[in-house]
Amino acid sequence: EPEVTQTPSHQVTQMGQEVILRCVPISNHLYFYWYRQILGQKVEFLVSFYNNEISEKSEIFDDQFSVERPDGSNFTLKIRSTKLEDSAMYFCASSATWASMNTGELFFGEGSRLTVL
Amino acid sequence: AQTVTQSQPEMSVQEAETVTLSCTYDTSESDYYLFWYKQPPSRQMILVIRQEAYKQQNATENRFSVNFQKAAKSFSLKISDSQLGDAAMYFCAYRSARAVQGSYNTDKLIFGTGTRLQVFP
Repeated sequence: EPEVTQTPSHQVTQMGQEVILRCVPISNHLYFYWYRQILGQKVEFLVSFYNNEISEKSEIFDDQFSVERPDGSNFTLKIRSTKLEDSAMYFCASSATWASMNTGELFFGEGSRLTVL
Repeated sequence: AQTVTQSQPEMSVQEAETVTLSCTYDTSESDYYLFWYKQPPSRQMILVIRQEAYKQQNATENRFSVNFQKAAKSFSLKISDSQLGDAAMYFCAYRSARAVQGSYNTDKLIFGTGTRLQVFP
């Protein structure tokens, strides 16, 4: 069964360093998302991406964050200069194909745990 | 803006018993989806059940069923014959069904704060 894959599963970085989290969405999906979950807290929307541009972003997604789909398969989240409060689990999700009915469901990856020291 | 509220941070149930997890939401839209996602300790979020707001019939997936009360904006999850593997964090989520890009929906999922379910043998 197709699935969303994320790498790395866990990354430890020093405050101020740049981090890139990678996602491979399900191959024929068209819409891509990043969410984050601070330990034990709710899952928060960061950004949605469609047709090579950002569809929507939350107030969390400030200038330190960027997304891109460089090669038609990977979907990356970059944090330019990490802060302690960026420590969280980051989930990538994808949804919807042209051919199928849009059931509304998002398919999630297993997450990338980011620890900022 | 839409909001999702889960008022039960933790619930517990005996194996083989039934448990109901509560969820309420607030929206001014008439067309939307509601979901329950399960997040086990392995951390990947897995869809448990989905409900389209235009459908009056409550969704059912094996041991999982919902009680969807559109007027009350309530969407509870009932787990029957609970199993040890049901222990997880359960998130209620809302998604608009507005057509934004052609016929397809780019809207985000909005999650509640989650309910941690423990299952005792």
